[in-house]
Amino acid sequence: SQTIHQWPATLVQPVGSPLSLECTVEGTSNPNLYWYRQAAGRGLQLLFYSVGIGQISSEVPQNLSASRPQDRQFILSSKKLLLSDSGFYLCAWGNEQFFGPGTRLTVL
Amino acid sequence: GEDVEQSLFLSVREGDSSVINCTYTDSSSTYLYWYKQEPGAGLQLLTYIFSNMDMKQDQRLTVLLNKKDKHLSLRIADTQTGDSAIYFCAESPTSGTYKYIFGTGTRLKVLA
Repeated sequence: SQTIHQWPATLVQPVGSPLSLECTVEGTSNPNLYWYRQAAGRGLQLLFYSVGIGQISSEVPQNLSASRPQDRQFILSSKKLLLSDSGFYLCAWGNEQFFGPGTRLTVL
Repeated sequence: GEDVEQSLFLSVREGDSSVINCTYTDSSSTYLYWYKQEPGAGLQLLTYIFSNMDMKQDQRLTVLLNKKDKHLSLRIADTQTGDSAIYFCAESPTSGTYKYIFGTGTRLKVLA
């Protein structure tokens, strides 16, 4: 069966620090992968999606970037975090959008 | 344009039916989805409906689709306290894109 993992589950980082969030999928190959951000009390904002290794499409210009170094690994990064980067980050895969458990990021 | 709208809140009594509504703009979406998000968790796919269907029933869940009005609804029969969560509707990407459009979510509160 397919599973999707995200880590860390929670993260508190100071403004200006770097970020690396990881998402991995098991039990499937060549999945479409997505990163979303959910701000407090709001809906989902699509940040990036990837249809294959090294293929990244950005939906919203910002100080975040994404990479897909392996088929089932999707990484969300930032060189310098802003206060506005706080939120709940969700990774998803596949046509039905199966979601991971999320990472709660607080930037102080 | 792309826009999926939902009312923000719904409160019902335990045992009653809940109806969560959603309007969308892109009539070319093939599938429409309903997700449930419990506090602090990711989204869980509840059900989906193919765009050429009017209704789909799955146990306590009934999805109604009115393509003419671009209106989607989720009915939960015999609502339980465990149904308290945020419910999102979403439409699948149109041809040539990979972008799913999610609604803003409806927070359902079930009163005991």
